[in-house]
Amino acid sequence: DIQMTQSPSTLSASVGDRVTITCRASQNINSWLAWYQQKPGKAPKVLIYKASSLESGVPSRFSGSGSGTDFTLTINSLQPDDFATYYCQQYIAYSLTFGGGTKVEIK
Amino acid sequence: QVQLVQSGAEVTKPGASVKVSCKASGYTFTDYCMHWVRRSPGQGFEWMGWINPNSGGTNYAQKFQGRVTMTRDTSISTAYMELSSLRSDDTAVYYCAKGGLGQSLNWFHPWGQGTLVTVS
Repeated sequence: DIQMTQSPSTLSASVGDRVTITCRASQNINSWLAWYQQKPGKAPKVLIYKASSLESGVPSRFSGSGSGTDFTLTINSLQPDDFATYYCQQYIAYSLTFGGGTKVEIK
Repeated sequence: QVQLVQSGAEVTKPGASVKVSCKASGYTFTDYCMHWVRRSPGQGFEWMGWINPNSGGTNYAQKFQGRVTMTRDTSISTAYMELSSLRSDDTAVYYCAKGGLGQSLNWFHPWGQGTLVTVS
């Protein structure tokens, strides 16, 4: 299986900050990567697919980049609603696998 | 709008089975694969497999082969996931999630609200 490694596991930030989360795949996944946001007690919600495509309805302060093995999720001007846990997921091959998550906390 | 609504929380004993349902609405149920994913404290998110609602074909993750069965009832746009021989480490929140057209590899959107299964 392809291993997905996220960093950091926890991130403390303030409203208005620019936040960057990284995800590394154990082998080349081209651009077959999605990013999800999950809040406590809620289902995950897709933010980005195909590494850099913004899902409809997702605010433009979210952006994704990267290809191959290294990927980044950036949140520009962090908003109160953005404090949550973020996960990456590869969908180039079965088994589909997820990163361990990055919790974005209030500083 | 596209929506997946899952059955309620379950408490069950080791060695038993559990069956979770996922009712789809807002799209043509038979056009898209339905995936099942679980999230446990110790393992994070684990993909369990998918079912093609059109053909009934399935693809299970190796870890769950022999213990998981995915089925569907197209007349009521509902998918089911049954996990047998339950152990304490099967305690998790189980999600259904809509995949891509046919059996294409895809991201998941949307997800069901999740069903907590407690094995104790």
